[in-house]
Amino acid sequence: DVKVTQSSRYLVKRTGEKVFLECVQDMDHENMFWYRQDPGLGLRLIYFSYDVKMKEKGDIPEGYSVSREKKERFSLILESASTNQTSMYLCASQTERTTTNEKLFFGSGTQLSVL
Amino acid sequence: GDSVTQMEGPVTLSEEAFLTINCTYTATGYPSLFWYVQYPGEGLQLLLKATKADDKGSNKGFEATYRKETTSFHLEKGSVQVSDSAVYFCALSESRASGGSYIPTFGRGTSLIVHP
Repeated sequence: DVKVTQSSRYLVKRTGEKVFLECVQDMDHENMFWYRQDPGLGLRLIYFSYDVKMKEKGDIPEGYSVSREKKERFSLILESASTNQTSMYLCASQTERTTTNEKLFFGSGTQLSVL
Repeated sequence: GDSVTQMEGPVTLSEEAFLTINCTYTATGYPSLFWYVQYPGEGLQLLLKATKADDKGSNKGFEATYRKETTSFHLEKGSVQVSDSAVYFCALSESRASGGSYIPTFGRGTSLIVHP
């Protein structure tokens, strides 16, 4: 089965720090995603990538950037962490198909606390 | 743009009760519809999906029917178990990327708590 691995389950950082969240998938999927999950707000898309070095902004990209240098790895970067970025971050991957019914495979999430 | 609206939770039921979680959507095209489930401490996983009108998705005793006339995809289960306690997300796919990939948009999630 597809495995999506997020490097940290829990992370505590200080305001102003640069933060890297790493995600690796092992099934050669073209598409990768970063979502944040907040109580009452559900999942909101930050960025996604449909190929190496290709990225598109999601619904809430402000304060974040991403990097995809290799197909299997998709990194989310908080250039200067702020307390309002305390959240659960979920990475997902998807086989690229021009059909509507391809599911996402999710990692277990990284709970980031910014103090 | 396209959107998904789910009933707010938490939904609290006793074991063996009937479950319905409402989901409605707005879309300009003909999206596929999904239910994902998130168990405590885990990421989301696909529960079921339907790709066209009147399709019924089913898995693990859960069912949902794609109703185009009412733009709905309600999740049902005839007899819930304690192990069904989780957060349930309704989602639809939409074309967003330059390459034509279909990207899911999620509802806010509905927490289900099942008591013994």
